[in-house]
Amino acid sequence: NAGVMQNPRHLVRRRGQEARLRCSPMKGHSHVYWYRQLPEEGLKFMVYLQKENIIDESGMPKERFSAEFPKEGPSILRIQQVVRGDSAAYFCASSPARGGNTEAFFGQGTRLTVV
Amino acid sequence: QKEVEQDPGPLSVPEGAIVSLNCTYSNSAFQYFMWYRQYSRKGPELLMYTYSSGNKEDGRFTAQVDKSSKYISLFIRDSQPSDSATYLCAMSPNTGGFKTIFGAGTRLFVKA
Repeated sequence: NAGVMQNPRHLVRRRGQEARLRCSPMKGHSHVYWYRQLPEEGLKFMVYLQKENIIDESGMPKERFSAEFPKEGPSILRIQQVVRGDSAAYFCASSPARGGNTEAFFGQGTRLTVV
Repeated sequence: QKEVEQDPGPLSVPEGAIVSLNCTYSNSAFQYFMWYRQYSRKGPELLMYTYSSGNKEDGRFTAQVDKSSKYISLFIRDSQPSDSATYLCAMSPNTGGFKTIFGAGTRLFVKA
């Protein structure tokens, strides 16, 4: 049973480009959470999704950031017109229905560098 | 003031030492308290979680929660070089807890 898969592991984008980060949850998991981790800071919640639904996006910046979890395929975190401040590690976690954070498994993360 | 405060360290100890890692928090609504271990360039891995106050033990690891003081601890007995990692405390008001709040993490080095 593969764990939470994130790709790419490393992503370099120039300022103004778009970044697409992918997350495939563990088999049987229908809840996905995205977090951002800045150097020397803890993980910051961004968005919580279930299949075809955004449940809570209160941690997402109002502009340039969006997330989706389609019926088929991975969850996507999209950052448009990236800026240097978007450079961070982005982690997703997944849990089974009703599992919540005590049964959430994290992926390896995508490290985004904006140059 | 941050909701969760955690000393970033680094904390350096000799192999075999007892390690104490701590977090304080300000939100009295937190009910679930978790500890994650994160190796360099890896995702966080859940070590233990505790509901409300009390102790929980799992092998060499013991988690303690003191809600009256808003203080949680993780103890590692007989520490090993393989325990060298960053330890993140996290907490939430419920297990629906997608709004889990994380501490900044404490970097631990265990010297052989």
